[in-house]
Amino acid sequence: DAKTTQPNSMESNEEEPVHLPCNHSTISGTDYIHWYRQLPSQGPEYVIHGLTSNVNNRMASLAIAEDRKSSTLILHRATLRDAAVYYCILRELEPPKLTFGKGITLSVRP
Amino acid sequence: EAGVAQSPRYKIIEKRQSVAFWCNPISGHATLYWYQQILGQGPKLLIQFQNNGVVDDSQLPKDRFSAERLKGVDSTLKIQPAKLEDSAVYLCASSTVRPGTGENIQYFGAGTRLSVL
Repeated sequence: DAKTTQPNSMESNEEEPVHLPCNHSTISGTDYIHWYRQLPSQGPEYVIHGLTSNVNNRMASLAIAEDRKSSTLILHRATLRDAAVYYCILRELEPPKLTFGKGITLSVRP
Repeated sequence: EAGVAQSPRYKIIEKRQSVAFWCNPISGHATLYWYQQILGQGPKLLIQFQNNGVVDDSQLPKDRFSAERLKGVDSTLKIQPAKLEDSAVYLCASSTVRPGTGENIQYFGAGTRLSVL
């Protein structure tokens, strides 16, 4: 299974941008980079995904390094509701399964 | 749109007892997953169904765990007999291809928290 490496935790201040890093040095050409997050007492929820180009959606932005060996999830203005565990995952092609690591725990200070 | 429904939300049993969890995926989602999430860890895939066929059950402890998805819709996961180390949250997810991206996205239920005493 392709692997990702994330810091254990990160703290941010409310209304400031947050950059969550992820290393995936063994990524293959067909692996999509997915980010999911898990709020307390809930199941994971999809945040964003990308292959080669940077991606934006209403929740976040995903910046992918040119060599694809790392990526960064960007929350433009953190809110208290963004406090969660964020998982960076390389999505295997077939079958299309996700292999979760421990993720990074984001704390947001008021 | 209704999300993935799971029941019960909580279950407490004694070791060696049996337990069953139920999942109703999002309507129209052909792929269904069961995950086990032990406290402090990320979810671990137990089994994946495509319609009512098993795609991947390589991490399912088949001596005690079983799962079925009759008629390709609802699914049940059973543990018999339960062990102390089975205490975890059991998550169900279903997936579909996200419009405009061609990418498979999973949608999770809230999970069932199992405590084995």
